[in-house]
Amino acid sequence: TQLLEQSPQFLSIQEGENLTVYCNSSSVFSSLQWYRQEPGEGPVLLVTVVTGGEVKKLKRLTFQFGDARKDSSLHITAAQPGDTGLYLCAGPLGGSNYKLTFGKGTLLTVNP
Amino acid sequence: SAVISQKPSRDICQRGTSLTIQCQVDSQVTMMFWYRQQPGQSLTLIATANQGSEATYESGFVIDKFPISRPNLTFSTLTVSNMSPEDSSIYLCSARDVEEKLFFGSGTQLSVL
Repeated sequence: TQLLEQSPQFLSIQEGENLTVYCNSSSVFSSLQWYRQEPGEGPVLLVTVVTGGEVKKLKRLTFQFGDARKDSSLHITAAQPGDTGLYLCAGPLGGSNYKLTFGKGTLLTVNP
Repeated sequence: SAVISQKPSRDICQRGTSLTIQCQVDSQVTMMFWYRQQPGQSLTLIATANQGSEATYESGFVIDKFPISRPNLTFSTLTVSNMSPEDSSIYLCSARDVEEKLFFGSGTQLSVL
């Protein structure tokens, strides 16, 4: 059973378009993290959200944590080819503060 | 931020053989982990590498198949033993720094024939 469900699985858009990807769970998480992974590289942490309803911005990326702390979204404004990559959400595993469970990710391709 | 060097970056191996993956961190870290990333699947935690003691394995992973060493605070190895094609995957080393952030190595792409 996948604790974190990400959608869509694949997304291909044109440069300049906006997009939103989702991370959903039936479980409550104390925090959620978003990572971006490029081919041949390991995931790189983008942000951690810890408070229900929290919104964090990182340049053109906006991250939101659901009020119930069961879901999160990532919105990208005016996507650029450099945004291409696998976006992963992750949350603490089994109540641990240091072990993470990951979603399968959304593979985003931004075409020039 | 911590920088993790992982090698080899890729390898092609014959079934029945073993491969040891090395992970070097450029600074002392509190915890080190090994993950597996299979095609179309999420990253799955294999084990927590404990310094000076036996690794802590997650459900479905055993020491005989994935022996792990961590002789000091900055270095760890993962061995994939008696490989089969089902072991073909990306293996990722990760570490948690003093600020509790998780960093990953570039991964080892393993193909077993």
